[in-house]
Parts: sequence; structure tokens; C-alpha cells
Amino acid sequence: GQNIDQPTEMTATEGAIVQINCTYQTSGFNGLFWYQQHAGEAPTFLSYNVLDGLEEKGRFSSFLSRSKGYSYLLLKELQMKDSASYLCAVEGGGGNKLTFGTGTQLKVEL
Amino acid sequence: EAGVVQSPRYKIIEKKQPVAFWCNPISGHNTLYWYLQNLGQGPELLIRYENEEAVDDSQLPKDRFSAERLKGVDSTLKIQPAELGDSAVYLCASSPQGTGELFFGEGSRLTVL
Repeated sequence: GQNIDQPTEMTATEGAIVQINCTYQTSGFNGLFWYQQHAGEAPTFLSYNVLDGLEEKGRFSSFLSRSKGYSYLLLKELQMKDSASYLCAVEGGGGNKLTFGTGTQLKVEL
Repeated sequence: EAGVVQSPRYKIIEKKQPVAFWCNPISGHNTLYWYLQNLGQGPELLIRYENEEAVDDSQLPKDRFSAERLKGVDSTLKIQPAELGDSAVYLCASSPQGTGELFFGEGSRLTVL
């Protein structure tokens, strides 16, 4: 099975940098996704990591260490609109099965 | 390009009543998923289709839930009878074959009274 752990809530200041961690234990691993979900809306894709290392995409970066079962999402130059839930999801366990964590609710304050 | 379309967006029913949700995936996406999401939680997989075949339905409570994707395109998820604990958002998602990047619909919010 899959076990995914991420903090429930985080608060950060506008313009700052925040790192959201995700640890996982899986029976099979193909890759790791990060999704963003604003309140009352559907999740939307942010990033996908297959190999170890950092993937940068604008203000957002995602890191993966397969040997440690660890990933983080780094958000720079925070904006108020970044207030949302950030979901870590692991692909594996047969086919393209995607298992989500409970999500980290990020609140960006002035 | 049209996204994943779900209906209805909202549904309020009394317990023991039936309810059905419909999903039309993005054109060309072979894989279709139904997820359940409770408030403050991540989505939980109910069933995954590859074309018309249900390849993973291990999390679907088969005593009351059923799903179909007869022609490998749109899909219906049914609950009969609904229970109070079924109140949640039911998300449909699709992906191209061979990728794990999911495209989600807006979801159907169910309230069981």
C-alpha cells in the first residue's frame, strides 16, 4: 500500500519562501506529483518528479529523493493567490494509480 | 479544448435515496478516474477505467456504489441507497494513456440529509 505524510497547515507571509514537505512509503514507485487545490475547486497539476533532484518551474520548484522517500514543494515570492491546499501524490502500486496525501493547507498573510 | 465535464455540480438528497453522477472526460483520454474527497482531505480513489474496463475498483463499496463506462468515453457513478456518510465531493478525472497527470473536473458535491 501507500502511506503519504504531509503537514496539515502552514502559514507564510506574502513575498516570502515556503517549503512544503512530503514523505512517503510505497509498495511501488513511478513518480511523484504535486497538485494545487483552491477552496471549492478541482485540483490542478503543478509538477512531476521521476528522478532525484530539483525541478524548477517559475516560482514553484519540486524536489525528490527516492532513496529517502521524500519530496518538497518550494514556493517563492509568495502571493495571496497562492493560498490553497497543496496535495502530494505518489504514482505506483500498479498501472498509473495515483494516491494522494491529505494535503497541506497554506495560508499566505500580508 | 474542453476540460472534464461533470454533472450535477450540486445534489442534495435524503438518505436511502439513489443518486447518479455523470462525467465526460477530455477527448482522447483513455483513463478515467472517480475520486471521493471529504472536506480537508485528499482525493481517495474509488475506481479507475482503462477505456471501458475497470482496472482498479478495490476501493469501491460495491454494496451500494456502482459505476459504468460502457463505450469507453463518458461514465456514470451511482449510489443506491445513499447514506449520511456519503456526503462528499465526487471528482472525476481523466488522463492520456501511459501518464499519471490527471485532469480533474469541477466535482459533484453531494449532501445527504
